[in-house]
Amino acid sequence: QMQLQESGPGLVKPSETLSLTCTVSGGSINSGNYYWGWIRQPPGKGLEWIGTIYYSGHTYYNPSLKSRVTVSVDTSKNQFSLELTSVTAADTAVYYCARMEAVAGPYDTFDIWGQGTMVTVSA
Amino acid sequence: SYVLTQPPSVSVAPGETARLTCGGNNIGSKSVHWYQQKPGQAPVVVIYYDSDRPSGIPERFSGSNSGNTATLTITRVEAGDEADYYCQVWDRSDDHLIFGAGTKLTVL
Repeated sequence: QMQLQESGPGLVKPSETLSLTCTVSGGSINSGNYYWGWIRQPPGKGLEWIGTIYYSGHTYYNPSLKSRVTVSVDTSKNQFSLELTSVTAADTAVYYCARMEAVAGPYDTFDIWGQGTMVTVSA
Repeated sequence: SYVLTQPPSVSVAPGETARLTCGGNNIGSKSVHWYQQKPGQAPVVVIYYDSDRPSGIPERFSGSNSGNTATLTITRVEAGDEADYYCQVWDRSDDHLIFGAGTKLTVL
């Protein structure tokens, strides 16, 4: 059974860059069978999609975050990553990484999720 | 950009039927997925592609999608169904994924 695990700093200073990594175990990120995504959830609020990447490196981003977001994949490490620049308190959230089956395109469900990691933006 | 509208809260008594809606302009032309999220947990898919149910999800969960409204229906509601429910679509106009704001289902 494939598993995903987020890792990265739990505290980031305002104006700095938030960097998270998702490690995939129990399967290959390079298989071409899946898309890989980042979703976040501010405390007490709903889900917000950040971006999705295919193993080839093709990306899709939330238009509201696109200017600050980079999602990348490292197939040698079986990981994919998120960078969010110029963070503010509004970026404080639980960040999830998740898997999506690549049946027809990046519009399927996220069927496997990491446990989520809380990132707080504060000086 | 495309907007999904979900009621903030729905309350039902145990054993009754809950209908959670997800509104959007001509949403019937899109594929809608539904997630259940319990406190402190990651979301779980309960319905995909409008009306399909993943293995392990009770038959009490069903979905429909037509016109401007998609609906998640939960029959014979149980206390364990109390959770937040989110709908999800893909907006092909600019290739991005959208979640609804979520509905908190309370079992009275």
